[in-house]
Amino acid sequence: DGGITQSPKYLFRKEGQNVTLSCEQNLNHDAMYWYRQDPGQGLRLIYYSQIVNDFQKGDIAEGYSVSREKKESFPLTVTSAQKNPTAFYLCASRIGTASEKLFFGSGTQLSVL
Amino acid sequence: AQKVTQAQTEISVVEKEDVTLDCVYETRDTTYYLFWYKQPPSGELVFLIRRNSFDEQNEISGRYSWNFQKSTSSFNFTITASQVVDSAVYFCALSEAAYNTDKLIFGTGTRLQVFP
Repeated sequence: DGGITQSPKYLFRKEGQNVTLSCEQNLNHDAMYWYRQDPGQGLRLIYYSQIVNDFQKGDIAEGYSVSREKKESFPLTVTSAQKNPTAFYLCASRIGTASEKLFFGSGTQLSVL
Repeated sequence: AQKVTQAQTEISVVEKEDVTLDCVYETRDTTYYLFWYKQPPSGELVFLIRRNSFDEQNEISGRYSWNFQKSTSSFNFTITASQVVDSAVYFCALSEAAYNTDKLIFGTGTRLQVFP
């Protein structure tokens, strides 16, 4: 079945450590997105990519980095510069135009030790 | 600037009650798209509906209905005869065709709890 796979489901970060969240899709979608969800704040856009080897910052990109070396993969690295990383992270994809719906993964809960 | 407001943080109802979730949006664009998503406890967002700015016709899908009014910049969602399985967080979202083409902006969500 086609879909988006996020791993791991739960992740713990130690102080000063970088961690990488995985996102893989087999929907052949051009565009991929990373959102952060905090209680009461909805979904906020971290980074998005419209095409391989290209990506743009979203509204809260500081402390995060991404890569898009393959169409199906869009990993997110939470760096040590992100001082408040505890949140639920959602990856999504869509065909690539404003009219199209997003397909979401099941999310990764990141917590700080 | 584009913005989506869901003023209701949490709503609690008893099964079989009707409930309306409000969504108000702001946009500079004349062509835009509005979405509703459901987030059950499992965490994955599920697409419910998409509306483009040129189609103000209301839509009904089973117990779900949507009321789109450009005059008030609202896109409200009504669940008729609510059920416990409707308990979830519901998000309204906006996508503009001309500006920031690939950004989908979400509201803060409304948590709906349906009690038996």
